[in-house]
Amino acid sequence: EVQVLESGGGLVQPGGSLRLSCAASGFTFSSSAMTWVRQAPGKGLEWVSSISASATTTYYADSVKGRFTISRDNSKNTLYLQMNSLRAEDTAVYYCAKGGRGDYFNYWGQGTLVTVSS
Amino acid sequence: EIVLTQSPATLSLSPGERATLSCRASQSVTSYLAWFQHKPGQAPRLLIYDASNRATGIPARFSGSGSGTDFTLTISSLEPEDFAVYYCQQRTSWPLTFGGGTKVEIK
Repeated sequence: EVQVLESGGGLVQPGGSLRLSCAASGFTFSSSAMTWVRQAPGKGLEWVSSISASATTTYYADSVKGRFTISRDNSKNTLYLQMNSLRAEDTAVYYCAKGGRGDYFNYWGQGTLVTVSS
Repeated sequence: EIVLTQSPATLSLSPGERATLSCRASQSVTSYLAWFQHKPGQAPRLLIYDASNRATGIPARFSGSGSGTDFTLTISSLEPEDFAVYYCQQRTSWPLTFGGGTKVEIK
């Protein structure tokens, strides 16, 4: 059974940092591109960042470029999102999803809530 | 950036009725379009990929059509569990983009 489980969300002050993790199982993680998608309160889904299976290529939305870093540890089947210089507009539920541009997001986690507020 | 515009924003229907949702792309995405269902507090679920292929385990009442810039998701007869928000998404080019969503609500 495929499982995708995000963790690391919480309350952080503007300008602060947070690292999200996504533990995956039930599929060949090291062969799969992975992606972070977020949903701000009352808004729709927004693609944030993707990483290739081998971690050689990364992509970012303009809204997070230069502040967020996506990475992965294939030995631990875990995806990460390092978020720096956080802003109020980064407040959202962050989802981890299997897939990238080469395929579709066929498995998603339940999401982890990030709240940026003083 | 490819902009996906979904219409209508809200669809008010009764169980058993047919739902027709539209997604229009600002430029051609060929057939690289997916549809997702999203309910509050749950993970989004892939319904349709490559514009018209049902994902694993998706009931036959869900169907997708279209290519290029105009796409449609049809739910032939709404079940109570189908009331949710639906998003289209393209994977033709970076950045990957989602439409703004269509909420299907109970009339």
